[in-house]
Amino acid sequence: GAVVSQHPSRVICKSGTSVKIECRSLDFQATTMFWYRQFPKKSLMLMATSNEGSKATYEQGVEKDKFLINHASLTLSTLTVTSAHPEDSSFYICSAKVSRVHEQYFGPGTRLTVT
Amino acid sequence: ILNVEQSPQSLHVQEGDSTNFTCSFPSSNFYALHWYRWETAKSPEALFVMTLNGDEKKKGRISATLNTKEGYSYLYIKGSQPEDSATYLCARKWGKLIFGQGTELSVKP
Repeated sequence: GAVVSQHPSRVICKSGTSVKIECRSLDFQATTMFWYRQFPKKSLMLMATSNEGSKATYEQGVEKDKFLINHASLTLSTLTVTSAHPEDSSFYICSAKVSRVHEQYFGPGTRLTVT
Repeated sequence: ILNVEQSPQSLHVQEGDSTNFTCSFPSSNFYALHWYRWETAKSPEALFVMTLNGDEKKKGRISATLNTKEGYSYLYIKGSQPEDSATYLCARKWGKLIFGQGTELSVKP
């Protein structure tokens, strides 16, 4: 149980275009979903926390207009990288949890390359 | 930022060897420590969530201990197998999860 999927696993896009990444909890309803970014040789860094039906809470230094997060249902959150630039190239990974439970369940991640 | 440090960064062992690695974190205002195993091209898999000083948890050949007063946790793997090859991440919960950089374990047959 507790499976989280992410789509796509890899995406290459041109500079200036927007890219949407989906995160789905397949066998449970996630009250909270998280989006992380991993730079090469670095730790997973939290970008934002989203609760179903409400606006995402962004970490300091993360541009909310650049990284649009929508959490429309208890099983789906999306991250849209708007007007992508090469410096947005990174590994993006989501996780999901239910309330009052410690564990976060992670998706397999999305490798974004902006050319 | 409350840094979480993991050591070593990478580790190469032979099949059958037992191994351990460390997660260090600030000891003040401790809430919980998470361990994950992350195999290439897969999702990080939750191993343990540790909350109490002196906690010791076990899952098969993998076990972990927690010392919140001195700010460290050890992860032990007994009799390493090639399928244990992965990156092992620890994360301290401080509102959000703050991750270490991971220890990359490679087990040679």
